Amino acid sequence: NAGVTQTPKFQVLKTGQSMTLQCAQDMNHNSMYWYRQDPGMGLRLIYYSASEGTTDKGEVPNGYNVSRLNKREFSLRLESAAPSQTSVYFCASSELDSRRETQYFGPGTRLLVL
Amino acid sequence: AQSVSQHNHHVILSEAASLELGCNYSYGGTVNLFWYVQYPGQHLQLLLKYFSGDPLVKGIKGFEAEFIKSKFSFNLRKPSVQWSDTAEYFCAVNAIGGNQFYFGTGTSLTVIP
Repeated sequence: NAGVTQTPKFQVLKTGQSMTLQCAQDMNHNSMYWYRQDPGMGLRLIYYSASEGTTDKGEVPNGYNVSRLNKREFSLRLESAAPSQTSVYFCASSELDSRRETQYFGPGTRLLVL
Repeated sequence: AQSVSQHNHHVILSEAASLELGCNYSYGGTVNLFWYVQYPGQHLQLLLKYFSGDPLVKGIKGFEAEFIKSKFSFNLRKPSVQWSDTAEYFCAVNAIGGNQFYFGTGTSLTVIP
């Protein structure tokens, strides 16, 4: 049981390049999330998916797209990377029990955009 | 919208000192409350959570938190910190039945041996 996995762990991009961050969970959770973590700003929600086939914008969705490929996988795509997207990206999934949810996080992807 | 405030941005303690980290949230309805810990270079791990019942909840590694509804607070405590507690601590809130979690900006704790 690996929990939440993310690839890649590190990535360096040039401005304008595109890339996809991959996330998978093996806990049979319905909800999945993408956050970015920046110094002094905590975690900010980019997008989330409450269930397979649905996605919703979070606090900072501009410049990103997501795909909930199936129940296990939730990818985050940067179509044209900008230096402002330099950050650490965390994927999370949550279990739902009687309307009470707990989130579990992946190891993160460190992205540097030059 | 909900928001979470963590007033202590950086805390430095000596080993064996007591710890209390503040967390306040703004939301009028019923919430779930969480504390997460992030050790250097690692991902967030759940420390403890409050859903309902006894407002004093105990988590892993000797941490506990108290939910005071009238103050909209969920402060984290530990009677005696260790060097290995050096980490960043995040408070989070989730409305009952809601999908979104709201995180505070985090408190960086440094424990000096």
